[in-house]
Amino acid sequence: DAGVIQSPRHEVTEMGQEVTLRCKPISGHNSLFWYRQTMMRGLELLIYFNNNVPIDDSGMPEDRFSAKMPNASFSTLKIQPSEPRDSAVYFCASRSGLSRDEQFFGPGTRLTVL
Amino acid sequence: AQTVTQSQPEMSVQEAETVTLSCTYDTSENNYYLFWYKQPPSRQMILVIRQEAYKQQNATENRFSVNFQKAAKSFSLKISDSQLGDTAMYFCAFISGAGSYQLTFGKGTKLSVIP
Repeated sequence: DAGVIQSPRHEVTEMGQEVTLRCKPISGHNSLFWYRQTMMRGLELLIYFNNNVPIDDSGMPEDRFSAKMPNASFSTLKIQPSEPRDSAVYFCASRSGLSRDEQFFGPGTRLTVL
Repeated sequence: AQTVTQSQPEMSVQEAETVTLSCTYDTSENNYYLFWYKQPPSRQMILVIRQEAYKQQNATENRFSVNFQKAAKSFSLKISDSQLGDTAMYFCAFISGAGSYQLTFGKGTKLSVIP
């Protein structure tokens, strides 16, 4: 299995632009997570999907952030408009569904907003 | 709410030596799981080891082992025969049992293995 796939690996954009991050979870996993990692706040859960349905989006910073999972093999995290404080590494992770199971992380997208 | 504390922001160890990374957590639950994740400079988060709270036996994975003290709510990671490839950030993480999804991470410990 190729693992969790994220694209792009790096994204540099200007303030005010729309940014879309993409994730393909591991086939057969029914849980998908988006995390944000910064030096100040560490790893934060942004949103959790189960069976393609958003279950908990309480970690989404504000209305500028949105996430979708149109099918079991694809999810997007969109920031519109982007701001410099959104600069971070964004991880997607998937899991087979049990609490004890490992969350498999993608390689992350390093986002820089100028 | 659960919290995870890693009190050592940075540590270093000589190659081939043993090092222990500390982690404490706070929870009122009895059923939960604990993890150590490794994040090398490549950024990839990699699971190192997992412990079920109901198991008294400490988990081991090759050179990696844990000292799980449930009463003390302590979950330290021991790395034996340290290798240069062990240089990374190490994150301790907690998740409740029974269908939970919220994985709570500590702030991490930066480990440097010195040749």
